[in-house]
Formats: sequence, C-alpha cells, structure tokens
Amino acid sequence: AQSVSQHNHHVILSEAASLELGCNYSYGGTVNLFWYVQYPGQHLQLLLKYFSGDPLVKGIKGFEAEFIKSKFSFNLRKPSVQWSDTAEYFCAVTSVPHGSSNTGKLIFGQGTTLQVKP
Amino acid sequence: KAGVTQTPRYLIKTRGQQVTLSCSPISGHRSVSWYQQTPGQGLQFLFEYFSETQRNKGNFPGRFSGRQFSNSRSEMNVSTLELGDSALYLCASSGGLRTEQYFGPGTRLTVT
Repeated sequence: AQSVSQHNHHVILSEAASLELGCNYSYGGTVNLFWYVQYPGQHLQLLLKYFSGDPLVKGIKGFEAEFIKSKFSFNLRKPSVQWSDTAEYFCAVTSVPHGSSNTGKLIFGQGTTLQVKP
Repeated sequence: KAGVTQTPRYLIKTRGQQVTLSCSPISGHRSVSWYQQTPGQGLQFLFEYFSETQRNKGNFPGRFSGRQFSNSRSEMNVSTLELGDSALYLCASSGGLRTEQYFGPGTRLTVT
C-alpha cells in the first residue's frame, strides 16, 4: 500500500532560519506530489505541486521542493522563515497508473507542525 | 472565483444517528474528493467522485457513503454514527484528472 512519511513531527525555528522538511513516499510507479499548509484556524492550502518536468518546483511564499525520484523524496525548503510561516505542513502523493491520469486519491503524511519564534 | 464551500460547518450528533454533509466545488470543477481528519489518524481519503461516478474509495466501512449530482455538488452520508466518527470532514475539488485539489473549510462533526 502507498504511504507517505514525514520525518519531523514538530519543528521549532527562529525567524530567518532555514527550513527543510522531509517527505518520503512508497510507490514504485509515477506519482504526483504536493505540499499543503494549514495555518491556525484556516483550511488546507496548496503550497506547491509536482507533476512532471523540472524536479525543483517553486511554490507560494518563497517555498520550494525538490523531487528526487531515486530517493522517493519530496523535501520542502525555505531559505528564511518568518513568524507567519507558523503552521502545519502536509506532504501528499497521488499515484498515476500507467496510461491513465492520477487517481484523485491523495495519500497524506502525518504532518509537521512548524513553530517560528519571533 | 469562489472556493469550495461546505455545509454545515459544525454539527453535533448522537451515537446511532445518521448525518449528511454537503460540498459545493469550485465552479467548473467536476471532481470532488472527501477526507476525514482526526488527531490520531491524520488525513484519510474517503472517496472521490467524478461526473457523478465514484472513481475511488478509501478503506472506510460501508456506513460511509457519498454521491455527486449533475451540478458537481456532492454529499456524504454517515449512518449509525459512532463516537470514533468525530472528526473534521474535508471536501476537495479539482478541475480535471491531472490537476491539484483545493480544499474547503471542513465540517466539524462531534458524536456524543
């Protein structure tokens, strides 16, 4: 069965520190990859997505992620975090069966709570 | 463009009752997926509908069901509620078969 693993459950950083959140998935075929963010009291928002092409993708608010197929990883990065980045971050994967489009079934990681201290 | 809307936002039910939750996707989106979010299990996929047909189903008991109407609006139903069904139920819509999903604010269901 497909699964997504986020290595860090709770991360605390000071403002201006660099961020990297790990995400690994288990699925041998083609995948579409996503990072979602849930700010306190708000609903899930899409940060960035990877479907194909350049494995380094840029998202909103200065976030980027790199897809490394050989490592089954899709780590999220930001060079300098701000207090407003305090939120919960979810990595998610959909499989793409051969000759088809993605299944529309998102498999989520457990989430990483990021706390940024001012 | 208006986002995904879900009604009601909050609901309190008693064990054994049934509940129906509603989701209106972003205009023009034909795919609707439902997820359950709990502190213990995280975000889990329930089912996906596309053009009124269930395309995918997660590992939930048959008490959880859904449907989609011709205008792409979707409903999910949970019968014979159990305490463990207390959760945030999220609906997401997407514009096609190879696009990202946009989430609604969710319906917070509490079963007492």
